[in-house]
Amino acid sequence: DAGVTQSPTHLIKTRGQHVTLRCSPISGHKSVSWYQQVLGQGPQFIFQYYEKEERGRGNFPDRFSARQFPNYSSELNVNALLLGDSALYLCASSLWQNEKLFFGSGTQLSVL
Amino acid sequence: DQQVKQNSPSLSVQEGRISILNCDYTNSMFDYFLWYKKYPAEGPTFLISISSIKDKNEDGRFTVFLNKSAKHLSLHIVPSQPGDSAVYFCAASASEGRFSGGGADGLTFGKGTHLIIQP
Repeated sequence: DAGVTQSPTHLIKTRGQHVTLRCSPISGHKSVSWYQQVLGQGPQFIFQYYEKEERGRGNFPDRFSARQFPNYSSELNVNALLLGDSALYLCASSLWQNEKLFFGSGTQLSVL
Repeated sequence: DQQVKQNSPSLSVQEGRISILNCDYTNSMFDYFLWYKKYPAEGPTFLISISSIKDKNEDGRFTVFLNKSAKHLSLHIVPSQPGDSAVYFCAASASEGRFSGGGADGLTFGKGTHLIIQP
């Protein structure tokens, strides 16, 4: 079975641009979460979606948004990119009512 | 302010010996704790978890101990193997098993400890 897949794997943008990151969960998983991992830090929670509804949101500005589609895949959008948005963006899926997150390999975003 | 702290950025252990990774937390609302392992260029992989109603959980070579009064947990790996070399993250949640993947506040991670197993 395929794990969590994320695209693209690497991305280079300039300040002020917009970016869309994509995630496909493990088959049967209806919950998707997004995390940001800055170099030298642990992953930081951005969003959680279940059944296309936002169920949780971390301490990130409104420039960050996400959505979940009927097939449970998800997109993370970041507007007006800042240099500080450079990070590894991790998507994770899970079964509802289950604590284990299964992570993808991430999208490495560099903002120049 | 860091609610989950892993104070050792790195740890070197000889193959076959015990590896002990430590984690402290400050939020008394946390009631579920997890350890994740991460290799370069891969996402974190779930290792083991423990609920606040227990003080120990074992899975093969991995054992997690929880000391609620000290707000401290540790991961023991016995015996340590070369493939255990990775970054280990401690994570906590304030929603024990009732919600998926950490609930509305997600999982709170520490900064990680880089474990190096020496041959």
